[in-house]
Amino acid sequence: DTGVSQDPRHKITKRGQNVTFRCDPISEHNRLYWYRQTLGQGPEFLTYFQNEAQLEKSRLLSDRFSAERPKGSFSTLEIQRTEQGDSAMYLCASSPGWTNTEAFFGQGTRLTVV
Amino acid sequence: GQNIDQPTEMTATEGAIVQINCTYQTSGFNGLFWYQQHAGEAPTFLSYNVLDGLEEKGRFSSFLSRSKGYSYLLLKELQMKDSASYLCAVRDLDDKIIFGKGTRLHILP
Repeated sequence: DTGVSQDPRHKITKRGQNVTFRCDPISEHNRLYWYRQTLGQGPEFLTYFQNEAQLEKSRLLSDRFSAERPKGSFSTLEIQRTEQGDSAMYLCASSPGWTNTEAFFGQGTRLTVV
Repeated sequence: GQNIDQPTEMTATEGAIVQINCTYQTSGFNGLFWYQQHAGEAPTFLSYNVLDGLEEKGRFSSFLSRSKGYSYLLLKELQMKDSASYLCAVRDLDDKIIFGKGTRLHILP
């Protein structure tokens, strides 16, 4: 297992288009997290999953954002009708779900909305 | 709600010691993480504290006081490669992990 994998690594899209990102967590990790990070800031929590169940979605997140983890393995994050303010790094992390373990991050997807 | 505070930037000299503080206010607490993040890269795990006290790991140590809602990361024998952002993060009772804004550490030769 090579760790958390995210695809694509970079995405440039025009304002108003829809985009979808994929995250493949470490095998058998049942927790999966999505974060958004802008320059000079820490990762901002978006949502997280326990297997296929979405446990919480940030109240700061607009209805244009949706995430799924249909079979409890990989996850997708979709942004509809992208805006320039959506430009950021989108990070995915996974953890085994045991209490005393850290979350492992993927390399992120950098989104640029033009 | 949750609130995590850490200094925005710090500067230290190569070979010296630096302490990065983090204070938190959370509705539930189940551990505190420190991550390192170099520019353009993903965060990498440094330490995890769930009980009060000091955890030492090589040049890096992390301290936690749950009653004070306070942690610090201590970096010794600073090297130029330690120039990075250091992220404090809190895990709540539902296993949600929330990050602070990060502290950018600049190392001077």
